[in-house]
Amino acid sequence: GESVGLHLPTLSVQEGDNSIINCAYSNSASDYFIWYKQESGKGPQFIIDIRSNMDKRQGQRVTVLLNKTVKHLSLQIAATQPGDSAVYFCAENMKAAGNKLTFGGGTRVLVKP
Amino acid sequence: DTAVSQTPKYLVTQMGNDKSIKCEQNLGHDTMYWYKQDSKKFLKIMFSYNNKELIINETVPNRFSPKSPDKAHLNLHINSLELGDSAVYFCASRDLERGYTFGSGTRLTVV
Repeated sequence: GESVGLHLPTLSVQEGDNSIINCAYSNSASDYFIWYKQESGKGPQFIIDIRSNMDKRQGQRVTVLLNKTVKHLSLQIAATQPGDSAVYFCAENMKAAGNKLTFGGGTRVLVKP
Repeated sequence: DTAVSQTPKYLVTQMGNDKSIKCEQNLGHDTMYWYKQDSKKFLKIMFSYNNKELIINETVPNRFSPKSPDKAHLNLHINSLELGDSAVYFCASRDLERGYTFGSGTRLTVV
């Protein structure tokens, strides 16, 4: 969903632990959802996506869960590594609005060695 | 062989000036976008073009004018720059199968 400019939340996680990042989206008409990772000085980088007709999708070390009933999306990162330190964004795509991609407010993940 | 490239990477300019940011993609995508990222990291869409045609135009001051000379290019021209225009601007392109690819951003600082 859309942030209203709130302070960026931070998740601190020990290296090797699992991370869970949560996101609430706003529009039930969104047809698919994407998680992005943004490292300092770089653009958002695609991690994983999920269609609205699915509730779970797995990638390499990452799993996305979609709960349409409560409009909630989560990203699970297994065995978090120092290279996973970044800001993570969820985004919802609306095909009906010309494939408009709306980003959530972002979560900063800090991996402690 | 950068997929989505933006120039310049950094732009510092005075209030009232007019400046342009250029974006090019070599992915063969039909759709391109401009996003603005503020100091709190919030990313908001500004414009979208599909094959040179304007598709999305969010509530953006008309000092901002996108131009797409062909489907591989989407430039952003900003007139009469204001302090509040300071942000990082990201260009992106989209493929139906593979989704969105973002450029590395242009950090605009208005002084």
